[in-house]
Amino acid sequence: QVQLVESGGGLVKPGGCLRLSCAASGFPFSDYYMGWIRQAPGRGLEWLSYISGSSVDTNYADSVKGRFTISRDNAKNSLYLQMNSLRAEDTAVYYCATGPEIRNVDYWGQGTLVTVSS
Amino acid sequence: DAVMTQSPLSLPVTLGQPASISCRSSQSLVYSDGKTYLNWFQQRPGQSPRRLIYMVSNRDSGVPDRFSGSGSGTDFTLKISSVEAEDVGIYYCMQGTPWPWTFGQGTKVEI
Repeated sequence: QVQLVESGGGLVKPGGCLRLSCAASGFPFSDYYMGWIRQAPGRGLEWLSYISGSSVDTNYADSVKGRFTISRDNAKNSLYLQMNSLRAEDTAVYYCATGPEIRNVDYWGQGTLVTVSS
Repeated sequence: DAVMTQSPLSLPVTLGQPASISCRSSQSLVYSDGKTYLNWFQQRPGQSPRRLIYMVSNRDSGVPDRFSGSGSGTDFTLKISSVEAEDVGIYYCMQGTPWPWTFGQGTKVEI
């Protein structure tokens, strides 16, 4: 079955950087769009970015554009999110997500917590 | 951005009784392919969101048939025909039509 396992979260100071990873299995990884969604503590959900199977098509939310970069390695069945210039408001649980149609986001990982604090 | 507005934000329910959550979009969710990308998710405490309904009214495998989705254009509804204790959680609608894809604020269902 589909498994998405995020890693790389932790405590980082404002202005710092972090790289999240998502290990995927149970589906044809290179055929699927992948994305990142976050949920700030006690708050709602926010789509951050998506990437096509070939990495040609990417998009970002305005809140992270220019600071975050999504990428993937199809040979390793892995998705990444490079996060730079982190701010306190980036504190959240970050989920990896996918599906045959990414707009319907069938599958979610368990999430990894990123805390930005001095 | 398409703003998704859910109501109510808090929904006290009685076991065995029906419940309904409304989701309204600030713009039409009909995509250029003719499909409407409106989904519903349930999030139980401490868990990741789980999709219940996709493209307005399609129930996911394993989702009890007491859950149903309906609507069109900008107005959508999730209904639970007879609430059970395991239905407690927060329910989110999400649109996948114009980027950025956006979620509603969430509706907390509690017994």
